[in-house]
Amino acid sequence: DQQVKQNSPSLSVQEGRISILNCDYTNSMFDYFLWYKKYPAEGPTFLISISSIKDKNEDGRFTVFLNKSAKHLSLHIVPSQPGDSAVYFCAASAEGGGADGLTFGKGTHLIIQP
Amino acid sequence: KAGVTQTPRYLIKTRGQQVTLSCSPISGHRSVSWYQQTPGQGLQFLFEYFSETQRNKGNFPGRFSGRQFSNSRSEMNVSTLELGDSALYLCASSSESGGYTEAFFGQGTRLTVV
Repeated sequence: DQQVKQNSPSLSVQEGRISILNCDYTNSMFDYFLWYKKYPAEGPTFLISISSIKDKNEDGRFTVFLNKSAKHLSLHIVPSQPGDSAVYFCAASAEGGGADGLTFGKGTHLIIQP
Repeated sequence: KAGVTQTPRYLIKTRGQQVTLSCSPISGHRSVSWYQQTPGQGLQFLFEYFSETQRNKGNFPGRFSGRQFSNSRSEMNVSTLELGDSALYLCASSSESGGYTEAFFGQGTRLTVV
């Protein structure tokens, strides 16, 4: 049973436009959420996080939105750049990283087209 | 500051053998977590060590074990290898166990069981 779902395996966006990556979760105990970016043959790189006491967190071109009632979060990248092409993983933890470590979605492959 | 270092990068083993993977966390980080990434299951949490103690464990058989040394370096061992153990094994370090801290990943060890 997948507790963190990324329903879009891939997403294609034009350079300069906004990329929106979505993530849904089912475990209401999750209270900390993270986004990671992964290039082939490399480990995931931390991008941005948000705790459940907030509904938005920004860091440069990256903004994460959290809708607790819908158990949904999204990552916005504005403007999208060619170097953003990678696989993006959404991750969640309960009680700030408790018994089950981080629970990851299966990833969305973002392709930025010139 | 050096990142998380995993060795070896690639490994080929035969069914029934055992294997040991190594992870050196970021200097000053005391928490080391291990994850298995496969195409079908995505990233799955194996276990976490903090100050030489296993804090958390994922849903993996007892053939998967680990340990952490006083310098925070960690090793993961898989005994009686099966074909299904072929995966990318990722190690992540963080400054705290649990809490709202990000995990920083190494490049991973690609294990192939033949």
